[in-house]
Amino acid sequence: AQSVAQPEDQVNVAEGNPLTVKCTYSVSGNPYLFWYVQYPNRGLQFLLKYITGDNLVKGSYGFEAEFNKSQTSFHLKKPSALVSDSALYFCAVRDEAGTYKYIFGTGTRLKVLA
Amino acid sequence: NAGVTQTPKFQVLKTGQSMTLQCAQDMNHNSMYWYRQDPGMGLRLIYYSASEGTTDKGEVPNGYNVSRLNKREFSLRLESAAPSQTSVYFCASGKNTEAFFGQGTRLTVV
Repeated sequence: AQSVAQPEDQVNVAEGNPLTVKCTYSVSGNPYLFWYVQYPNRGLQFLLKYITGDNLVKGSYGFEAEFNKSQTSFHLKKPSALVSDSALYFCAVRDEAGTYKYIFGTGTRLKVLA
Repeated sequence: NAGVTQTPKFQVLKTGQSMTLQCAQDMNHNSMYWYRQDPGMGLRLIYYSASEGTTDKGEVPNGYNVSRLNKREFSLRLESAAPSQTSVYFCASGKNTEAFFGQGTRLTVV
């Protein structure tokens, strides 16, 4: 069965510092991996995805994520955090093999401090 | 470009009442989904439809039914609402490599 774990409920980082939001996954076949962001009272917005190819994926708003197959991880990163990055971040996985289910983690609240 | 549209945005129900949440997408996607979002639990899949004419249970289907009316529309029905169904409900549609979300329906069951 597919599953996603986001081990941190909240991450605090000072503005201008690098940030990392962690995600590990479990899936039977090759994974499709995603990061979404949710601002208050809004739906989820797509940030980036890993399907195949280069392990470092670049996405919207300066975010990137690194796929590590041996550690089954897909951590979200940004070199320099902005206060406006403060939001709820969700990691998701979809099994390449056939089901069309996107399974989400429990979310990590990122707080960037001025 | 509307994307995924959900109605209503807000709803208050009394225990035992029924209602249908509507969702429509204009991106010609085959797959559609219903999730609920609860604090500390992330998004949990209620039902999904891989294509027109098919529906499948997700993680938390009890108390819900769905209808894939056509390729555009995927509705979620609560036959007898319970306080445990108080949540924010999100509809999504997807292609193989990305899902797109509506703005959500905030449902309160009292």
